[in-house]
Amino acid sequence: GQQLNQSPQSMFIQEGEDVSMNCTSSSIFNTWLWYKQDPGEGPVLLIALYKAGELTSNGRLTAQFGITRKDSFLNISASIPSDVGIYFCAGRWEGSQGNLIFGKGTKLSVKP
Amino acid sequence: GAVVSQHPSWVICKSGTSVKIECRSLDFQATTMFWYRQFPKQSLMLMATSNEGSKATYEQGVEKDKFLINHASLTLSTLTVTSAHPEDSSFYICSGQSGAQEETQYFGPGTRLLVL
Repeated sequence: GQQLNQSPQSMFIQEGEDVSMNCTSSSIFNTWLWYKQDPGEGPVLLIALYKAGELTSNGRLTAQFGITRKDSFLNISASIPSDVGIYFCAGRWEGSQGNLIFGKGTKLSVKP
Repeated sequence: GAVVSQHPSWVICKSGTSVKIECRSLDFQATTMFWYRQFPKQSLMLMATSNEGSKATYEQGVEKDKFLINHASLTLSTLTVTSAHPEDSSFYICSGQSGAQEETQYFGPGTRLLVL
């Protein structure tokens, strides 16, 4: 079946540092989504990407849809304590009939 | 916009009982709703997809007779865990999608189920 490899699994950073995480897929994707999940809550959409090469920002967050259509990255600049949480990439591959597949998540910890 | 609610937010029940979880799209019409299960420190696993007015499509390994899904309207889907057992304890999350397959999914806040 389809698989998404998300890395790193966890990160411990100092407040103010920049963060980068990425996802790679085994096949071509036509949609990449990045979500953040706080403990005990549902995922919240951060950025949606629909075209190869697309670079989209949402405040301090920037995400890109890789030109090979098999990867995506999410950058967070100047991290703050409230950035703490688990970040999931998710995507749709061609033929998925709309279903999303999720990466295993990146747990971000920010030290004030 | 694009708000999805779930009720209840948490439930504790005895083994053998059935539990119903509601998922509502509050400000959009969800043509398709998805139900996920998430175990501690793991990712979301899709259980089933439902389109309004039709039978749900279950992922491999998910028992359709145990996890009953009803998508009666464009704003409401329900998941009933029948004869729940402790191994069914998990975090259940629904999401709604308004239209075409490329539309974004918006997630509810989740329901924590604990079966004793």
